[in-house]
Amino acid sequence: EDQVTQSPEALRLQEGESSSLNCSYTVSGLRGLFWYRQDPGKGPEFLFTLYSAGEEKEKERLKATLTKKESFLHITAPKPEDSATYLCAVHRGATNKLIFGTGTLLAVQP
Amino acid sequence: DTAVSQTPKYLVTQMGNDKSIKCEQNLGHDTMYWYKQDSKKFLKIMFSYNNKELIINETVPNRFSPKSPDKAHLNLHINSLELGDSAVYFCASSEGQGDEQYFGPGTRLTVT
Repeated sequence: EDQVTQSPEALRLQEGESSSLNCSYTVSGLRGLFWYRQDPGKGPEFLFTLYSAGEEKEKERLKATLTKKESFLHITAPKPEDSATYLCAVHRGATNKLIFGTGTLLAVQP
Repeated sequence: DTAVSQTPKYLVTQMGNDKSIKCEQNLGHDTMYWYKQDSKKFLKIMFSYNNKELIINETVPNRFSPKSPDKAHLNLHINSLELGDSAVYFCASSEGQGDEQYFGPGTRLTVT
């Protein structure tokens, strides 16, 4: 069965303290892996799409990487405004739908 | 300009009532979706339409009926509301199936 697991569930960092969020998946026929950011009371905001193992994408302090079994979202020197829930989702081509993980709640303290 | 908009933002109603949530996107996308996010923040697809045609219909009670009058609109009508329907409902759109999805601000539905 298709599954997406994110860890940790919650992460508290000091401003400037770099870390990584993990998204591991078991899905056949992966067509893409997506990262989203969700702020309280708002809809998920698209960050990155990764399509194949070895691919990397960067945006400001965020860098997403992909292997055949997992993806990492690396956060370098985070700021308080990076605090949010980060969601990972996989697209399985056969079903044409996104399967979301349960997210990592990141809190960055000044 | 709001890319994906939903109305209303909040909806409080009693069990047994019928309600609708409206969604509009001005991105020119072909595909639209409805998701349900439960109290544990888990997002699950309910329906997907591509060019007004239903392409994904998850195991959702038939009290939920989506309607797409045109490519830019996807509405969700819910009959005989139950306590378990309380959640945040998100509309989303994408250029095509499998492309990145853009989400609306959500509608928080509370059934009392």
